Amino acid sequence: DADVTQTPRNRITKTGKRIMLECSQTKGHDRMYWYRQDPGLGLRLIYYSFDVKDINKGEISDGYSVSRQAQAKFSLSLESAIPNQTALYFCATSAPFTNTQYFGPGTRLTVL
Amino acid sequence: QQQVKQSPQSLIVQKGGIPIINCAYENTAFDYFPWYQQFPGKGPALLIAIRPDVSEKKEGRFTISFNKSAKQFSLHIMDSQPGDSATYFCAARYSGNTPLVFGKGTRLSVIA
Repeated sequence: DADVTQTPRNRITKTGKRIMLECSQTKGHDRMYWYRQDPGLGLRLIYYSFDVKDINKGEISDGYSVSRQAQAKFSLSLESAIPNQTALYFCATSAPFTNTQYFGPGTRLTVL
Repeated sequence: QQQVKQSPQSLIVQKGGIPIINCAYENTAFDYFPWYQQFPGKGPALLIAIRPDVSEKKEGRFTISFNKSAKQFSLHIMDSQPGDSATYFCAARYSGNTPLVFGKGTRLSVIA
């Protein structure tokens, strides 16, 4: 079984809809991250959390919110989706004071 | 502003060639420089990493060269194979407790 899972893997929605992307991990890591990947723009950090009570904005947090429900779960929400939020979204985890981030398989989101 | 500048955006090489991907950074507080490899439909995964106290690190066919004075680092792939075709991201991290900052990625195609 994968250590970092994301659901759904693909989602098509309409402008104005609320969307939640979910991430779960079995690695026992405290730290979790949400990134967005767009062609030519690389991986951009949306939000990150170093423990259940810690939430931090990343480079591009506008239009997004997150919830850290437990050590193993970190959800990303788009309250009112817009077409320029069409992208590939990745969740990642890491252990405290270590360098390696482990990425999930990604969620491809299309907003029409 | 972009903290890690990566070039080229795309690269095509013949099998057996040595593709070179370059990254430049401005912030001298960065103390860890990894490269991530991403295959289509997958999340990025750590390939190789270096710290600024060494000038070169090799792992198999992959080598990082690091030039601290020029604030540049590069990835070399020796004897490249079609299976190396992927997107490669350089990244950097400030000393201490911070997420990785990624470059925009290089899409490498190795043709037989």
